[in-house]
Amino acid sequence: EAGVAQSPRYKIIEKRQSVAFWCNPISGHATLYWYQQILGQGPKLLIQFQNNGVVDDSQLPKDRFSAERLKGVDSTLKIQPAKLEDSAVYLCASLGVRGGDTQYFGPGTRLTVL
Amino acid sequence: QKEVEQDPGPLSVPEGAIVSLNCTYSNSAFQYFMWYRQYSRKGPELLMYTYSSGNKEDGRFTAQVDKSSKYISLFIRDSQPSDSATYLCAMRLDTGRRALTFGSGTRLQVQP
Repeated sequence: EAGVAQSPRYKIIEKRQSVAFWCNPISGHATLYWYQQILGQGPKLLIQFQNNGVVDDSQLPKDRFSAERLKGVDSTLKIQPAKLEDSAVYLCASLGVRGGDTQYFGPGTRLTVL
Repeated sequence: QKEVEQDPGPLSVPEGAIVSLNCTYSNSAFQYFMWYRQYSRKGPELLMYTYSSGNKEDGRFTAQVDKSSKYISLFIRDSQPSDSATYLCAMRLDTGRRALTFGSGTRLQVQP
């Protein structure tokens, strides 16, 4: 079974530029999450989708971050304009079922904002 | 105060040692408790999963949850250099959203 795919793996941009990240979850997983992991911290939830609908975006900085999951499969996360404090790893996870539930994480996109 | 507190380490132990990793939390409504392992430049992967209080064992790994103290632990027996990674505790409420709240992670180094 293929895992969660993310691209690009690394991105370096100047502040005030825009950037987009892409995630392809495990086939059949209806729930998809985007997390932000700042160096030395645990992942923090940004947004949760159930199919193509938003379940929770309470921690998404909506003035600069946006996300969509058209057709309930792939998802994109966009930052516009980027700030220095957005430098982090952006992790995508999809939800399977194993006992209770298991979130499967992709390798992440490492963003550096200069 | 953070909802989940975890000692960042780093923790360095010799191969074969018993490792104890811990988290404390403040929200008594958390019901599901997990431990994730994260290798450098990789995404987290689930190690252990426990519902409510109690112990769970899986090979060299044992997870303990004490809800009365709001304290969870992960023990690694006979630690190996391949166990060197960052260990993240995570927990969630007993609701359909299933969003996880993570600790900041403890970096473990097992010396051969």
